[in-house]
Amino acid sequence: DTAVSQTPKYLVTQMGNDKSIKCEQNLGHDTMYWYKQDSKKFLKIMFSYNNKELIINETVPNRFSPKSPDKAHLNLHINSLELGDSAVYFCASSQEGLLRTHNEQFFGPGTRLTVL
Amino acid sequence: SQQGEEDPQALSIQEGENATMNCSYKTSINNLQWYRQNSGRGLVHLILIRSNEREKHSGRLRVTLDTSKKSSSLLITASRAADTASYFCATENQYGNKLVFGAGTILRVKS
Repeated sequence: DTAVSQTPKYLVTQMGNDKSIKCEQNLGHDTMYWYKQDSKKFLKIMFSYNNKELIINETVPNRFSPKSPDKAHLNLHINSLELGDSAVYFCASSQEGLLRTHNEQFFGPGTRLTVL
Repeated sequence: SQQGEEDPQALSIQEGENATMNCSYKTSINNLQWYRQNSGRGLVHLILIRSNEREKHSGRLRVTLDTSKKSSSLLITASRAADTASYFCATENQYGNKLVFGAGTILRVKS
C-alpha cells in the first residue's frame, strides 16, 4: 500500500555502466518528478511529467533519459555513468489543481546511487 | 538558481523548547511548502501556505508568510526528540510548474 515506491533502494555500479531506476505511484496523481539530492542535501528537480508528457527538463545531461509508460510510472535511465552522478535520486508525484498549481508532493524513499 | 534559502543551517535545542526556521526566496510564488526529511528517508510534506495567506497552523506547527519580504518561518512548538530531522522550504513558482527547494535546516532535538 506504499504511495510512491522506487526500486532499487541502493545501486552500486562502475563508471561507464548504464542503469535504470523505477518509480511507481498508486495515488492516482497526474504529475511525477525526479529529483537529485547531492551530498550536501541540496534537492534539485531534474524532470517532471504530466500525464506522460515531459513538462520540465532542467539542464540535465542527455545521458539521463526519463520514460513514462503510463501516468503511474516514471522511470529514469542513466547512460555512461560518471562519478558525479553519485547521489540520492527521489521520485515524487502530485496532482495538478486549478490554474495549473500543484499541492503537496509525495516522495518515494529514494535510490542511493554510488558510482565507483 | 536556488530559490529558497533557509537559516539557520543547523539548530540544536532541548526537548520541550520551540524551534524556529526561516526561509527566504527571490521571485513571485503561488505557494510555499515545508517538508521534513528524516535521515535516509524521503521527504514528507508538512504544510502548504498560499501566497494570499499570512499564517497557517497544523498541530504543533505554525507557518507564516510575508510576501512583501519574500520570507517564511516555520515554528515547531514543544519540540520532541522525534522532530530531529532536516526541514526544507520549497516554493512553487507563479507558473505552477515546479517546486524549488532550499538547502534545508538540520534540527536536532536533545532529550
